[in-house]
Amino acid sequence: EVQLVESGGGLVQTGRSRRLTCSTSGFRFALYGMSWFRQAPGKGLEWVGLIRSNDYGGTTEYAASVKGRFTISRDDSKSVAYLQMNSLKTEDTAMYYCGREYGDYEGCAFDFWGQGTMITVSS
Amino acid sequence: QSVLTQPPSVSAAPGQKVTISCSGSSSNIENYYVSWYLHLPGTAPKLLIYENNKRPSGIPDRFSGSKSGTSVTLGITGLQTGDEADYYCATWDNSLNAVVFGGGTQLTLL
Repeated sequence: EVQLVESGGGLVQTGRSRRLTCSTSGFRFALYGMSWFRQAPGKGLEWVGLIRSNDYGGTTEYAASVKGRFTISRDDSKSVAYLQMNSLKTEDTAMYYCGREYGDYEGCAFDFWGQGTMITVSS
Repeated sequence: QSVLTQPPSVSAAPGQKVTISCSGSSSNIENYYVSWYLHLPGTAPKLLIYENNKRPSGIPDRFSGSKSGTSVTLGITGLQTGDEADYYCATWDNSLNAVVFGGGTQLTLL
């Protein structure tokens, strides 16, 4: 059974850092690209960024709103993906989800998602 | 505001049919596959449609997708109370080099 579980959420002060972890099981993690998403209170889903599988260079892409502050990485030996968030702002307050890519091309869907972990950024 | 445009809300009676539109441009919908998701806040989003009109295993054929030019449509027939949720379209945008979502559509059963 495919499972994705996010962890690392909590209350963070503005300007500080936090790392989220997406722990996975039930599939061959190394073969899949992974994305992070978020949903701010009362808002819609927003894509945060992606990391491609190492077959595609393990390269990353980011939303303009987080570029330069957030970094996505992966550890295929542990079947986990990370979202390192630096210089956090109050507008980063959201539920953060990870999702598995269903395909290896731009525009592919995300077939499995985690339940999310909440980040609250406050001064 | 979102790159992809969806109606904020739609409503219909149980057993009826509803459609949800999602419009974009040549930098996104026209040239890339679109997927649709059902989401209840605080829970894992669920993939309903991928590659414009394909259903993953386990998704009933009450859900359908179609595409024409720069717009896509999600159709849901035989509405059930469990269908009350937020629905999102998503695709790639080559001018932003990013995955983009619609603003979401809240489905309410009358």
